[in-house]
Amino acid sequence: DQQVKQNSPSLSVQEGRISILNCDYTNSMFDYFLWYKKYPAEGPTFLISISSIKDKNEDGRFTVFLNKSAKHLSLHIVPSQPGDSAVYFCAASFQGAQKLVFGQGTRLTINP
Amino acid sequence: DTGVSQDPRHKITKRGQNVTFRCDPISEHNRLYWYRQTLGQGPEFLTYFQNEAQLEKSRLLSDRFSAERPKGSFSTLEIQRTEQGDSAMYLCASSREPDEQYFGPGTRLTVT
Repeated sequence: DQQVKQNSPSLSVQEGRISILNCDYTNSMFDYFLWYKKYPAEGPTFLISISSIKDKNEDGRFTVFLNKSAKHLSLHIVPSQPGDSAVYFCAASFQGAQKLVFGQGTRLTINP
Repeated sequence: DTGVSQDPRHKITKRGQNVTFRCDPISEHNRLYWYRQTLGQGPEFLTYFQNEAQLEKSRLLSDRFSAERPKGSFSTLEIQRTEQGDSAMYLCASSREPDEQYFGPGTRLTVT
């Protein structure tokens, strides 16, 4: 049962434009959400997170939006840069649980 | 470098052999996690330690898998009688708080 889903395996965006990565979840008990970025041959790197008490969190070029009623979150990157090309994973957890539940990932390619 | 380190980075073994991986967490982190990632999927939780106590194990962790964290410092993950289905990237993460986990570079296991 895939509790966290990233339905777009890949996304291609022109440099300077906005990249929007989407993630859906099914478990309403999830109350904390994270985005990780992964380059080849490296482990995932923490990018940004959001608690379920918020609907938006911003950090520089990265903004995460949470829509609890739709069980949907998105990551916006603006402006997109070539170094943003990587695989992006969303992950979720809930209070009392230690594990993160990951989506399948979306490969983002930024074209010059 | 004060990040999570894992050793070895790559391991090729023959089916039926035993393998052991090591993870050194960030020094002030008392929580340590093991995940497994297969091609095209996000990381899947295997097990979690708080200090030296193993507090949670996934049903993915069959009897052939064992993990330890003596003295609450580094951790080892052993797979006995490896099978081809064990081929994957094994990721270790650590954290001070439950949610923001910091990952190591992973150990890629290939079982031939």
